[in-house]
Amino acid sequence: DAGVIQSPRHEVTEMGQEVTLRCKPISGHDYLFWYRQTMMRGLELLIYFNNNVPIDDSGMPEDRFSAKMPNASFSTLKIQPSEPRDSAVYFCASSLKGEDYGYTFGSGTRLTVV
Amino acid sequence: GQNIDQPTEMTATEGAIVQINCTYQTSGFNGLFWYQQHAGEAPTFLSYNVLDGLEEKGRFSSFLSRSKGYSYLLLKELQMKDSASYLCAVSPTTDSWGKLQFGAGTQVVVTP
Repeated sequence: DAGVIQSPRHEVTEMGQEVTLRCKPISGHDYLFWYRQTMMRGLELLIYFNNNVPIDDSGMPEDRFSAKMPNASFSTLKIQPSEPRDSAVYFCASSLKGEDYGYTFGSGTRLTVV
Repeated sequence: GQNIDQPTEMTATEGAIVQINCTYQTSGFNGLFWYQQHAGEAPTFLSYNVLDGLEEKGRFSSFLSRSKGYSYLLLKELQMKDSASYLCAVSPTTDSWGKLQFGAGTQVVVTP
């Protein structure tokens, strides 16, 4: 398996622009998570899905953030409009309920908003 | 509230042993995970404890005491490649399996 695939690896955008991050989970995994990592706040859970349905989005910072999972093999995280404080590494992870190895993380998207 | 504490940084010599402690206070408990994260890379799974006691995997071992809200990760025979951040993570409730809360991470520096 190719693992969790995220794109792009790096994104530099100007404040006010729309940013879309993409994730392909491991085939067969039924949970998908979006995390954000910064030096100040560490790893923060933004939202997670179970069988393509959003379960908990309480970590989404504000209405500028939205996430979708139209099918079992694809998810997006969108920021519109972007702000400099959104600069972080965004990780997507997937897992299978009952397996005791936790998450498999993607390589992350390093977002810089200037 | 939810709280997961671990030391910020630890330094040890190649070949030595280092123990990284993690204490947690969460609304529920459904397991504790340890992840390793090298600079610029994604976290990778190291270990999982759901019952009290010690789990051993090669050079790495993890211990859990649920009554004390305490875990440690033991790294033996340290190698230079073990220099990384080690993240303690708790699954807080049984009805949302997989919703992990992460500590801030412990940066381990291995010196020659």
